[in-house]
Amino acid sequence: SSELAQDPAVSVALGQTVRITCQGDSLRRYYASWYQQKPGQAPVLVIYDANKRPSGIPDRFSGSNSGSTASLTITGAQAEDEADYYCHSRGSGINHLVFGPGTRVTVL
Amino acid sequence: EVQLVESGGGLVKPGGSLTLSCAASGVTFSNVWMSWVRQAPGKGLEWVGRIKSKTEGGTTDYAAPVKGRFTISRDDSTNTLFLQMNSLKTEDTAVYYCTTWWFWGQGTLVTVSS
Repeated sequence: SSELAQDPAVSVALGQTVRITCQGDSLRRYYASWYQQKPGQAPVLVIYDANKRPSGIPDRFSGSNSGSTASLTITGAQAEDEADYYCHSRGSGINHLVFGPGTRVTVL
Repeated sequence: EVQLVESGGGLVKPGGSLTLSCAASGVTFSNVWMSWVRQAPGKGLEWVGRIKSKTEGGTTDYAAPVKGRFTISRDDSTNTLFLQMNSLKTEDTAVYYCTTWWFWGQGTLVTVSS
């Protein structure tokens, strides 16, 4: 099992808000990043250092963390946001990196 | 524009070896820590390993499933990252990506099958 836990799937109505969470003990010490991956494509970084957004990423994507939980929120979800979302951080060792198992977001 | 282009994937028998390459452009490659990430068919992302920049020691770290079988190296003179894979197992079948974490290649498929 992964050192980071995510819900397998979540759905959101078009234009509504959805929060995806990632839980793991390492998140108490290290920031999470979040990646979006659409079918047949490479992952895209959408949040890094818990709450920073790379240039070009819409501001409807935001991140936060509290204790052992990191969160990715999509405010006003669009059809193009339908994808798999992976959290990423350090694992049990400082030189060991891990991904969460991913959350599939469906926009209804 | 940063580009990462992987190559070298293909079909290999269990127990065999394969070397993947990742050609980087648009980035000061020698300063960048590079990682390999893989994705088995229909599965999630899995970190394989990374190599630090030479100025920060050039050391490598690996995920437990590949430690001792895979070796990551870099050639800063040609802006190329490598992944040498030995003693391949069927469970190593995946698309392999090279990444700076900010930028990703398109991936190359490795299939381990008899």
